[in-house]
Parts: sequence; C-alpha cells; structure tokens
Amino acid sequence: DADVTQTPRNRITKTGKRIMLECSQTKGHDRMYWYRQDPGLGLRLIYYSFDVKDINKGEISDGYSVSRQAQAKFSLSLESAIPNQTALYFCATSDPLAGEQFFGPGTRLTVL
Amino acid sequence: DQQVKQNSPSLSVQEGRISILNCDYTNSMFDYFLWYKKYPAEGPTFLISISSIKDKNEDGRFTVFLNKSAKHLSLHIVPSQPGDSAVYFCAASANTDKLIFGTGTRLQVFP
Repeated sequence: DADVTQTPRNRITKTGKRIMLECSQTKGHDRMYWYRQDPGLGLRLIYYSFDVKDINKGEISDGYSVSRQAQAKFSLSLESAIPNQTALYFCATSDPLAGEQFFGPGTRLTVL
Repeated sequence: DQQVKQNSPSLSVQEGRISILNCDYTNSMFDYFLWYKKYPAEGPTFLISISSIKDKNEDGRFTVFLNKSAKHLSLHIVPSQPGDSAVYFCAASANTDKLIFGTGTRLQVFP
C-alpha cells in the first residue's frame, strides 16, 4: 500500500465551485505539505504544517486554504476555483529529523 | 526571486553515456540539497541528497557534487539507461526547513 495517498486523482470542475483535495499518510510523519506543479515552474509550495496545530502559508497560498484534521490527514481547499488553478497538486510528508520529503501520486485538477 | 535554478529545461543523452544535470542556488543559508526524479502521472521520488559539509555523495550510478563557493550542484548518472528518462528536480533547504525546488530538467536517454 502507498505511504502517501491523494484523492481524487483527477478532477474537472467549473469556475466558482468549491473543491477539496485530500491527503492521507501512513508514514507517521508530523510534517505535511501541499505543492502545485505547473509546466516550466517546477513545484511551488502552497501550505505546510509541522504538526496538527501548526499551519503555515507557502509561496502561493492566495485562493487556497488547508485543514490538518489529524497527524495523518491534510486537506487542501479551493474556496472558489478559477481557471488558473488548473495544475497538478502534490501532497508530501517528512520527518523533522530528515530532509527528504515523500510525495503522493498527485491530483490533476482542471478548472473550466 | 528564484532561489534554486535549473537552467536547462531538457537534456538528451545516449544510453551508456554520462548524464550531467546542473542546479544553481542563491541562498547561502541552504545546507541540504536533494535530487528528485519524476515520471509522468507519478509523484516525485527522492533520489539522492548531500549535506553542505560534503562535496560529493555517491549511490550506485548516481553521484551528486556540491561546489559551495560557486553555489552549484550537479547530478551525474553513469551509465545512463532508458529507464532514467524522467524529469529531475533539485531542491534545497536551510536547517531542515521547507524545501525550495528548481523548475526541473527533462532527461531523455535514447538507445
């Protein structure tokens, strides 16, 4: 079984709709992250959480919100989706004593 | 202000030859550097890392070199194999804080 899972894997929605992307992990890590990937722009950090009561904005947090429901769950919401939020979204986890992050398989989101 | 830069969007290498992927950074506080590999429709997977106290780290066919004075790191893959065809991202962090990623280099290894 995958250590970091994301649901849904693909989603098509319309402008103005509220969307939630979910991430679960079984690695027991305290730290969790949400990134988006756009062609030519690499991976950009949206939000991150170092434990259940900790939420931090990343490089591109405008238009997004997050919820850390438990150590294992971190969800990303688009309150009112717009077309330029069409992208690949990745969740990741890490242990605070190690530098590497472990990524989920991604969610491809299309906003029409 | 892009703190981690991969100036080559793509690289094509013949099977069996060496692939060299480059990465430059601007923040002198970075003390840990990583390379990730990404196949289509999958999440990035960790490949190899290096601490700023070292200048080289090797793992099988993969070697990462760090030149702190030039703020430059490179990933060498020898010999290159068709299965190495993927997008490679370099990333950096300071004090085990969040990672800053480069824009990626697409490597194609042809027979």
